[in-house]
Amino acid sequence: AQRVTQPEKLLSVFKGAPVELKCNYSYSGSPELFWYVQYSRQRLQLLLRHISRESIKGFTADLNKGETSFHLKKPFAQEEDSAMYYCALRGPGGFKTIFGAGTRLFVKA
Amino acid sequence: ETGVTQSPTHLIKTRGQQVTLRCSSQSGHNTVSWYQQALGQGPQFIFQYYREEENGRGNFPPRFSGLQFPNYSSELNVNALELDDSALYLCASSQSGRAGEQYFGPGTRLTVT
Repeated sequence: AQRVTQPEKLLSVFKGAPVELKCNYSYSGSPELFWYVQYSRQRLQLLLRHISRESIKGFTADLNKGETSFHLKKPFAQEEDSAMYYCALRGPGGFKTIFGAGTRLFVKA
Repeated sequence: ETGVTQSPTHLIKTRGQQVTLRCSSQSGHNTVSWYQQALGQGPQFIFQYYREEENGRGNFPPRFSGLQFPNYSSELNVNALELDDSALYLCASSQSGRAGEQYFGPGTRLTVT
């Protein structure tokens, strides 16, 4: 079964501390993996995708096919990073995006 | 360039009624996907439309149906509303060939009483 699991509903860190939001997936094949973010009173937006291998707002995510994980990391959290983060997957050439339940990140001053 | 818009912002319906939600895709996008997001959950894929045809569907009953128009705007129709249909309904548009890069609308909050 295709599934995305985000084990933490809430993650609270201090400003300047490293942050890692966990994402594990179940998919038979080679999916595309994404991280979406929703800031307060804003719409859901794409943060990054694994095929781009880019760093956005200091965040990176590495696809680990052996562990079927796609954890989101940032070395130094900022207060403006406080938001809801969703991990998502999509099959190659597929139409269906499967989202995890989301992790709320709270960065304390 | 205009972003994805949805209407109405919110509405309240009674169990058994029918509802139509609307979505205008971002300029240049020909693919629209609809999602249901229950409180505390991630978005769940309902279906996708590409060039006015449904080309994929999630685990939703037939009373959830849709349309896409020549200008790529879209409607989501839900018949025989149930209490569990209460949720935020999100529309996302994308360009074919860049199917992973979806742009979301603000959503329509549906409450069924």
